[in-house]
Amino acid sequence: GESVGLHLPTLSVQEGDNSIINCAYSNSASDYFIWYKQESGKGPQFIIDIRSNMDKRQGQRVTVLLNKTVKHLSLQIAATQPGDSAVYFCAEPYYGGSQGNLIFGKGTKLSVKP
Amino acid sequence: DSGVTQTPKHLITATGQRVTLRCSPRSGDLSVYWYQQSLDQGLQFLIQYYNGEERAKGNILERFSAQQFPDLHSELNLSSLELGDSALYFCASSVATGGFSTEAFFGQGTRLTVV
Repeated sequence: GESVGLHLPTLSVQEGDNSIINCAYSNSASDYFIWYKQESGKGPQFIIDIRSNMDKRQGQRVTVLLNKTVKHLSLQIAATQPGDSAVYFCAEPYYGGSQGNLIFGKGTKLSVKP
Repeated sequence: DSGVTQTPKHLITATGQRVTLRCSPRSGDLSVYWYQQSLDQGLQFLIQYYNGEERAKGNILERFSAQQFPDLHSELNLSSLELGDSALYFCASSVATGGFSTEAFFGQGTRLTVV
């Protein structure tokens, strides 16, 4: 089966609410994860990454949480804005550490209602 | 704008034909990666080149090949095209070939339609 996968294909939230996008992985040896955002008609864009020696990492309005016990990670977007509407992918490298050779999950489409 | 340029943006061709997709990486980036994005398979890594040499292979078909030229631009060649090859093809580039947080930047993609 796929190494990295997503729980929900779509997520609809109200503008200003917080969004949580989930991702499960199967390889307990996975040590690096990345979240990408893909807007319509564009290529994926890096959002935030996390290494397995961390449980949490924060960026600007985004937080990634990693639970190695249940092999799950989540992306939290605070105060979701219309510009956050996109497909979000979690990914991990084929080969340790590189962001280029990636296994992507199926993606979750986030829709933000004004 | 990621700085990665892909041409053409759209391509329509017939089954059995051969096409070439072109990618110019960001200035200074030595690694180029190719991805295919289709509705049924999602985003799949195809192949990576680093400074002119093949570095890693993913789910690339034998009908597909790529190369990276001395000026670091890359081309993805798709031959004996089938309807199932219709997809978005993305190129990404990064400075190095590995290392944590070596960010890869994606181009806007080439949409290939095989009819």
